Amino acid sequence: EDQVTQSPEALRLQEGESSSLNCSYTVSGLRGLFWYRQDPGKGPEFLFTLYSAGEEKEKERLKATLTKKESFLHITAPKPEDSATYLCAVQATGGSQGNLIFGKGTKLSVKP
Amino acid sequence: DSGVTQTPKHLITATGQRVTLRCSPRSGDLSVYWYQQSLDQGLQFLIQYYNGEERAKGNILERFSAQQFPDLHSELNLSSLELGDSALYFCASSGSGGGGPQHFGDGTRLSIL
Repeated sequence: EDQVTQSPEALRLQEGESSSLNCSYTVSGLRGLFWYRQDPGKGPEFLFTLYSAGEEKEKERLKATLTKKESFLHITAPKPEDSATYLCAVQATGGSQGNLIFGKGTKLSVKP
Repeated sequence: DSGVTQTPKHLITATGQRVTLRCSPRSGDLSVYWYQQSLDQGLQFLIQYYNGEERAKGNILERFSAQQFPDLHSELNLSSLELGDSALYFCASSGSGGGGPQHFGDGTRLSIL
């Protein structure tokens, strides 16, 4: 069964304290891995897509990497406005559907 | 702003009732996806439509149904509502029927009393 597990469930950082979020996945064939940010009361906001092992994407203080079994979201020198829940999702190959399989997310709090 | 519009933002109703949630996808997107988000389950895929045709089904109850209209907007119909149906319901859209990122609306919060 296709599955996505994110850790930790919650992470508290001081402003400027860099860290990483983990997303491990089990899927028959990977079409793509996606990172989203979700703020309270809002829908998930698309951040990155990764398609193959070794691929990296960067956006401001965020950098996403992908291996054959997991993905990491590195946050460098975070600011309070980076506080949100970060969701990881995979899209499997096979068939014509494109639905995403989500992890339960990591809730990040950054204190000034 | 993702470009995906969902209405209403909030719905409060009673058990046994029926409601309709509406979604307008981003301009040019042909695929619409519906997801349910509850506190304990996270985001769960319900159903996908591509250019008016049902493309894939996930964990969607028989009491729930959806459709996509010629103008590409979609509606999710929930009937015989139960307390456990209380959740956030999100719509997402993408340009293709398969791969590529999905862009989400801000959801409809459904509360069953």
